[in-house]
Amino acid sequence: DTEVTQTPKHLVMGMTNKKSLKCEQHMGHRAMYWYKQKAKKPPELMFVYSYEKLSINESVPSRFSPECPNSSLLNLHLHALQPEDSALYLCASSQEKLRQGAGTGELFFGEGSRLTVL
Amino acid sequence: SQQGEEDPQALSIQEGENATMNCSYKTSINNLQWYRQNSGRGLVHLILIRSNEREKHSGRLRVTLDTSKKSSSLLITASRAADTASYFCATAPTGGFKTIFGAGTRLFVKA
Repeated sequence: DTEVTQTPKHLVMGMTNKKSLKCEQHMGHRAMYWYKQKAKKPPELMFVYSYEKLSINESVPSRFSPECPNSSLLNLHLHALQPEDSALYLCASSQEKLRQGAGTGELFFGEGSRLTVL
Repeated sequence: SQQGEEDPQALSIQEGENATMNCSYKTSINNLQWYRQNSGRGLVHLILIRSNEREKHSGRLRVTLDTSKKSSSLLITASRAADTASYFCATAPTGGFKTIFGAGTRLFVKA
């Protein structure tokens, strides 16, 4: 069983809706990630938070807005999405503080939120 | 840009056979990791090998790393139907903060 919990498991939304994806971990990890995965493709990094601060934004469109309210929670706010944004959104966490040259260690993934945009 | 490329893209074997997957990458790395993903599920970490290591074992898994060739291999011995999944290598480039995933190998183990 994963120790990273994502809700909801499935989400269907229209292009004018506003919704949020939520992620929670209680492993004391201080780095948290959002990845997007299309069918039969690898996960693509979207955002990285380190110590509740946004460290990396991989040029993600502004219709995706991340938020890290505290060290255990990570949200992804969705607004005015396009059908091509339909994908599996994966949250992950890792123990290491991000620092120059160190890279990241083992990532712990949630089961993902399957998003369909109509 | 995508850091890791995997070979083969798909692999079908009989239960009990060994499965070998290869990964190549482009830049220098801190470590290389292998993950498994069952269809539509989250990824599960299998093993991490650091850039100064050449081989690592974990149960039925054996990973090798050749930094001179910028390549790694994952060997699953005595495969089982439950090993059916997609397998991804992931690299942490030196000087970077990101873990980047390769294209993945889809393994199908027939009972």
